[in-house]
Amino acid sequence: DSGVTQTPKHLITATGQRVTLRCSPRSGDLSVYWYQQSLDQGLQFLIQYYNGEERAKGNILERFSAQQFPDLHSELNLSSLELGDSALYFCASSPTGTGGGGVGYTFGSGTRLTVV
Amino acid sequence: AQSVTQLGSHVSVSEGALVLLRCNYSSSVPPYLFWYVQYPNQGLQLLLKYTSAATLVKGINGFEAEFKKSETSFHLTKPSAHMSDAAEYFCAVRGSGGSNYKLTFGKGTLLTVNP
Repeated sequence: DSGVTQTPKHLITATGQRVTLRCSPRSGDLSVYWYQQSLDQGLQFLIQYYNGEERAKGNILERFSAQQFPDLHSELNLSSLELGDSALYFCASSPTGTGGGGVGYTFGSGTRLTVV
Repeated sequence: AQSVTQLGSHVSVSEGALVLLRCNYSSSVPPYLFWYVQYPNQGLQLLLKYTSAATLVKGINGFEAEFKKSETSFHLTKPSAHMSDAAEYFCAVRGSGGSNYKLTFGKGTLLTVNP
């Protein structure tokens, strides 16, 4: 157990629908990063939050959004889903906003999203 | 912008043989470099990281990597492969500057260990 909890582990939904993926960071970590892993694109950075505020944005579609709550858990919202959104979505956390510290980044086990 | 290139999407070795997974980086500043392993249907687990303290970095499960600035490389090695090492391995570099400290990953190398 890495200490980063992602729910649900699997999600199957239809095109056009909206889903919410949840991530609880490791205890004490202030930063949350979201990544998408697909066969064709590999691991792509989506977005980072640090202590409740958006810190950096990557290749995140406009149909996707995220937020980090006061208890530091984060949610990734995916809407108007398309077949191509099927992927593994990972959350990672780090103690600081720079990913530094002795541990660095800790990854959760991911949410596998299948859009049918 | 920082980037990493992993040479070889698939490496196959025999049990007991040397494992060598290649990673070259591109960075305009001294990089922070990482190797992660992903077992089937699991998340990414940190194997080791380079943060400029020492050029030879030892990680978990007998893996190590050497940072070579002159070659812009950070290859991962293990003297003797074990069946349990079969997994996908990712090299990553941490961004720097401003507010961008995300990890940028290579495409990954799938390691197969043959009995």
